[in-house]
Amino acid sequence: QSALTQPASVSGSPGQSITISCTGTSSDVGGYNFVSWYQQHPGKAPKLMIYDVSKRPSGFSNRFSGSKSGNTASLTISGLQAEDEADYYCSSYTSSSTLDFGTGTKVTVL
Amino acid sequence: QVQLVESGGGVVQPGRSLRLSCAASGFTFSAYGMHWVRQAPGKGLEWVAVIWYDGINTYYEDSVKGRFTISRDNSKNTLYLQMNSLGAEDTAVYYCARERGSYIYLYDMDVWGRGTTVTVSS
Repeated sequence: QSALTQPASVSGSPGQSITISCTGTSSDVGGYNFVSWYQQHPGKAPKLMIYDVSKRPSGFSNRFSGSKSGNTASLTISGLQAEDEADYYCSSYTSSSTLDFGTGTKVTVL
Repeated sequence: QVQLVESGGGVVQPGRSLRLSCAASGFTFSAYGMHWVRQAPGKGLEWVAVIWYDGINTYYEDSVKGRFTISRDNSKNTLYLQMNSLGAEDTAVYYCARERGSYIYLYDMDVWGRGTTVTVSS
C-alpha cells in the first residue's frame, strides 16, 4: 500500500479560497468514489469533513467542498478562516479492500 | 453521548507484545465496523486495520499483516488490537474509529477516540 500524494503545505489569506490535491491511482482514488477528507488540529483526533468524494456530514461548514477527476481528488476551502488552520488528510478505499491515507497537508492562514 | 476510549498503550521493548483496547459507548457497537489508525510522532495518519460489524471480515495494512490482530467483543462493546513482534516503526498514537454506516462498510470513519500512545524502545 502506498500513501496518496498531497502537497506538504498550502497557505492563504483570510477570505481566500485554497485547494488541496490528493493523487492516487486507478486502484484507489480513480477506481472508486470512496474518497474522504479529514481535518486534524494539533493534539486532537481527526474529524471527518467530506465523504464519498463530495458529501458533507451534517453540521460541517459548506465552505468545504470536495471533487474528483481521474486519479486526483481535491478539497477546496472557501472563505478561509483562522480556525481552518490545521492538517488535512485524504483517504481512499483500495482494490485490496484496505484504506490508504494521503501524506497530509498543513494549511496555514496568513 | 457517542464515545470511544482507547487504553493499553505504554512503553514496550522491541520484539514484545501489547494489546490495545477501545471501549465504545453511546451507540449500538455491534452494528458498526471499527478501525485502528495510527500516527507516528510528527507524521501523518496511517490506516492499520478494520473489522466488520459482525467480526467476520478483517483487513490489514501490509506492514502489520501477520503481526497485528484486530478483534472485537460485541458483548463487552470493546474493540481490540493485539500487537506482536513490535518494532520501533510501530511507535505511534493509536486511534480507534467507528465506520460511518451501520451494518455496512462505507470506508470512512465518523467517530474517533482520543488515542493511546505506544512507544517501542529498549
